[in-house]
Amino acid sequence: NAGVMQNPRHLVRRRGQEARLRCSPMKGHSHVYWYRQLPEEGLKFMVYLQKENIIDESGMPKERFSAEFPKEGPSILRIQQVVRGDSAAYFCASSQGAKNIQYFGAGTRLSVL
Amino acid sequence: GQQVMQIPQYQHVQEGEDFTTYCNSSTTLSNIQWYKQRPGGHPVFLIQLVKSGEVKKQKRLTFQFGEAKKNSSLHITATQTTDVGTYFCAEGTGTASKLTFGTGTRLQVTL
Repeated sequence: NAGVMQNPRHLVRRRGQEARLRCSPMKGHSHVYWYRQLPEEGLKFMVYLQKENIIDESGMPKERFSAEFPKEGPSILRIQQVVRGDSAAYFCASSQGAKNIQYFGAGTRLSVL
Repeated sequence: GQQVMQIPQYQHVQEGEDFTTYCNSSTTLSNIQWYKQRPGGHPVFLIQLVKSGEVKKQKRLTFQFGEAKKNSSLHITATQTTDVGTYFCAEGTGTASKLTFGTGTRLQVTL
């Protein structure tokens, strides 16, 4: 009974590099959410996707950040030209439907040097 | 934007003592969910409350939703070291039920 799978668990990047974070939802789940957690803070919503569609990206920074959930394969959160302020834990959650319980993955901890 | 505040920010108790965290909103909440996050871990869903005045229990945990649906509480009876972590309340909003998380209460339990 595989849960939400995120990889990598830890990612180190130098300033200016790109970071790609992957998320495979639970089996049978077609709704994916990405959240960001800065150190010692709560989680902040970034984006909500269904297969091949971005439904709500109201929490995404306007520049450098993008997300996709292709027909085949995991959802990807992409951060271009990373800066130190991007250092955070990025959590993916999935749900069966739009108003169902969200199950979280273990997260990717991004460190920008 | 809407903010969901939690108090206290941090609580340190001796094992066996009770613990309560409060979640407050300036606007009416459509629902409230509670999550637990262990240090270095990820949020784990505990419960969802929807109705005004609703009370739900899970073993030593009691969850309450205020009559005006503007506040909620989580009470743990006789804490154990396994209760250590940060407890977040969250509201599911919009058609997609994206979660708006509270600021969290970090619980430390010592023997």
